[in-house]
Amino acid sequence: ETGVTQTPRHLVMGMTNKKSLKCEQHLGHNAMYWYKQSAKKPLELMFVYSLEERVENNSVPSRFSPECPNSSHLFLHLHTLQPEDSALYLCASSQDQGGNTGELFFGEGSRLTVL
Amino acid sequence: GNSVTQMEGPVTLSEEAFLTINCTYTATGYPSLFWYVQYPGEGLQLLLKATKADDKGSNKGFEATYRKETTSFHLEKGSVQVSDSAVYFCALTGGYQKVTFGIGTKLQVIP
Repeated sequence: ETGVTQTPRHLVMGMTNKKSLKCEQHLGHNAMYWYKQSAKKPLELMFVYSLEERVENNSVPSRFSPECPNSSHLFLHLHTLQPEDSALYLCASSQDQGGNTGELFFGEGSRLTVL
Repeated sequence: GNSVTQMEGPVTLSEEAFLTINCTYTATGYPSLFWYVQYPGEGLQLLLKATKADDKGSNKGFEATYRKETTSFHLEKGSVQVSDSAVYFCALTGGYQKVTFGIGTKLQVIP
């Protein structure tokens, strides 16, 4: 496999469920990111991990919990979500720490629907 | 802070028409500028970039020139194809700030 892989591609969950999104990068990059993509809004940066340490958390509600067990894997744990959390969640990676060069490599996204 | 403004769209063009998608930005210092493209059902991928004033980024027939005096980075292509139908995101980064994206412009090219 190459690039950035996200699973599942589609997820439907109730407001009381607990689920996780998974991201894996095969590029040997040092940094990984979670973005939220909603209609008619700019991409929202949620979390940044650099060398497995969280370096940024953009005021994301605690019902979203990230985990980065190693430099190749990133998870987003979801619990007690709200319908307004329905969106496309994109994982990305970059060679440099913090995306300073702007060159991000994205996965195909996980489409989340909260009922 | 940094911000990017681009037309929301959708932009609908006939095949072989000329494309312009406008992008303007607000940033401190000297940011690098980017265009990303998102094809249906896929994630974003870098299309082109420019790192300093008057630089021209180009790829796949698309071009954009870094205009510091007008704080713009408009995307152009001389002759669009149906396969260019996608969402195009203007973005910037500078210093230790993370990448800031615009809202995305949907392009529809009809045969």
